[in-house]
Amino acid sequence: GAVVSQHPSWVICKSGTSVKIECRSLDFQATTMFWYRQFPKQSLMLMATSNEGSKATYEQGVEKDKFLINHASLTLSTLTVTSAHPEDSSFYICSAEGGGRWNEQFFGPGTRLTVL
Amino acid sequence: GIQVEQSPPDLILQEGANSTLRCNFSDSVNNLQWFHQNPWGQLINLFYIPSGTKQNGRLSATTVATERYSLLYISSSQTTDSGVYFCAVLTGNTGKLIFGQGTTLQVKP
Repeated sequence: GAVVSQHPSWVICKSGTSVKIECRSLDFQATTMFWYRQFPKQSLMLMATSNEGSKATYEQGVEKDKFLINHASLTLSTLTVTSAHPEDSSFYICSAEGGGRWNEQFFGPGTRLTVL
Repeated sequence: GIQVEQSPPDLILQEGANSTLRCNFSDSVNNLQWFHQNPWGQLINLFYIPSGTKQNGRLSATTVATERYSLLYISSSQTTDSGVYFCAVLTGNTGKLIFGQGTTLQVKP
């Protein structure tokens, strides 16, 4: 149980294009979803917290117009990187809570974004 | 904000050896989780352990909340144990996990 999927697992795009990443909780309803970013050999950095039907809460320093988050249902959250640039290249990971104990988070497999 | 420090940053073991990874945190926490990030980037939940001791096969964890630390024990290590081990803590009611910098483990055959 408590499986989280992400799609796509990797994507390469040209500078200036937008990329959408999907995060799904497969066998539970996620009360809250989170989006993280991870640079090589570094820890996870929380970008935003997403609740179904409400606006996402962004961490300080994260551009909400650059990283659009939509949480349309209790099993799906999407992250759209708008007008991507090479510096947006990174590993993006989502997590969801609601599939286990109080505030326990389960993580998706991540999406590797490369912007040329 | 709360600080989470993990040690050691890097660890190289021979297959079959035992190890202890440590996670110190600077304030009281509501939750603590240990994760293993495999070479493909997937974070795997190891333990949900705000306090006490738990065991799962060759792995066990202990959190002493009053002294603000947690330990992850790996016994009889295998090459498949290689990867990065993260502890993450949750404070307050935000639901946000604060991650440590991780311990990179390499188990050699």
